[in-house]
Amino acid sequence: QSVLTQPPSVSAAPGQKVTISCSGSSSNIGNNYVSWYQQLPRTAPKLLIYDNNKRPSGIPDRFSGSKSGTSATLGITGLQTGDEADYYCGTWDSSLSAVVFGGGTKLTVL
Amino acid sequence: QVQLVQSGAEVKKPGASVKVSCKASGYTFSTYGISWVRQAPGQGLEWMGWISSYNGNTNYAQNLQGRLTMTTDTSTSTASMELRSLRSDDTAVYYCARGRSTYYFDYWGQGTLVTVSS
Repeated sequence: QSVLTQPPSVSAAPGQKVTISCSGSSSNIGNNYVSWYQQLPRTAPKLLIYDNNKRPSGIPDRFSGSKSGTSATLGITGLQTGDEADYYCGTWDSSLSAVVFGGGTKLTVL
Repeated sequence: QVQLVQSGAEVKKPGASVKVSCKASGYTFSTYGISWVRQAPGQGLEWMGWISSYNGNTNYAQNLQGRLTMTTDTSTSTASMELRSLRSDDTAVYYCARGRSTYYFDYWGQGTLVTVSS
């Protein structure tokens, strides 16, 4: 059971928008920065969002991140079939003194 | 360009040890720490721990304390992870990742499959 809670799956049509939630507590999301990762099938995770809402160079602005209280959200607009992947949130947990991840959300672009 | 290149797949018997290496290039190795993250088949990401490439300080996940050792060699820009007393549930893909100060990982190795089977 993961410390951060994500929906197991989300789906939407090409061109549409989808959001993926990540719920935690005051010991993790509430007081630390959140990052998001995309994992395409059979590949290593790739950083999408860091420090709650910042995009590394090369990540299109179709991807966005936000945080409010003890929850964070990843948004993806203009969905493409190539966005089909697993998405993970991560943050530091001050009580555990460890990095924690959500269980992952599988995005299907119908 | 930043690259982390890991050693190849391993097959080990229960009770054995495994050591996975991660060679960094494209940046000053001692400037950033390295974390190790594993992923069991069909499962999510699990953070194993972190090592400072500057002074060798470590922080291991509590559930792996006593079985895990992380090291770095600044002369070869290589980080290594050794896991002992392997069990079947240690079967996973093991990733090294460059860590940043706010606990995110901007570059990842390609992953190393470790299979524990009798």
